[in-house]
Amino acid sequence: QVQLEQSGAEVEKPGASVRVSCKASGYRLIDYDINWVRQASGQRPEWMGWMSPNSGSTGYVYKFQDRVTMTWDSSKSTAYMELKRLTSEDTAVYFCAVGIEGSTYSFDHWGQGTLVTVSS
Amino acid sequence: EVVMTQSPAALSVSPGETCTLSCRASDSVSDQVAWYQQKPGQAPRLLVYGASTRATGIPARFSASGSGTDFRLTISGLRSEDCAVYFCQQYKSWPSSFGGGTRVEVK
Repeated sequence: QVQLEQSGAEVEKPGASVRVSCKASGYRLIDYDINWVRQASGQRPEWMGWMSPNSGSTGYVYKFQDRVTMTWDSSKSTAYMELKRLTSEDTAVYFCAVGIEGSTYSFDHWGQGTLVTVSS
Repeated sequence: EVVMTQSPAALSVSPGETCTLSCRASDSVSDQVAWYQQKPGQAPRLLVYGASTRATGIPARFSASGSGTDFRLTISGLRSEDCAVYFCQQYKSWPSSFGGGTRVEVK
């Protein structure tokens, strides 16, 4: 059974950084990219990019490219997404997601989400 | 970036009826479209990928079609548990992008 277990809610000040974790289990982890999607309250989901646990390769959406880092710790079967220089516009629920059935980019498994609040 | 536009923004339907949700892409995305259902406080749930293929475990009353720029999700025999927001997503063009959602209320 595929499970993606995310870390708990975070409150950060503007200008700070946040790191969200996503522990994966229940499938052959290295075979599938881990994606990060965020969603502000009442808004559409926004895809941030992907990370390959197999190779460590990453692909970041341009608007996040200079602020985001996605990594994998194979010893812990855990993916991390770090976002730097936070502003109030980064307040959102952050999800990790995997596409196993179908396409790599149609996500059939999701973490429960991590609320990141940026407030002074 | 391909912009996905969904319509209507919201609709209210009686139990047992059928509703059709629309999604239009600003450029052709072939059949690289997925549909999701999202309930409050939950992650999106994949319903359809490849424009028309139901994901595992999704009831047959959810059907989808389309290619190019116009896509549809039809929900037949609506049930109260279908109350949710439905999003389309294209993954043909970088970056993948989502529509603004359609909120479905079952009266």
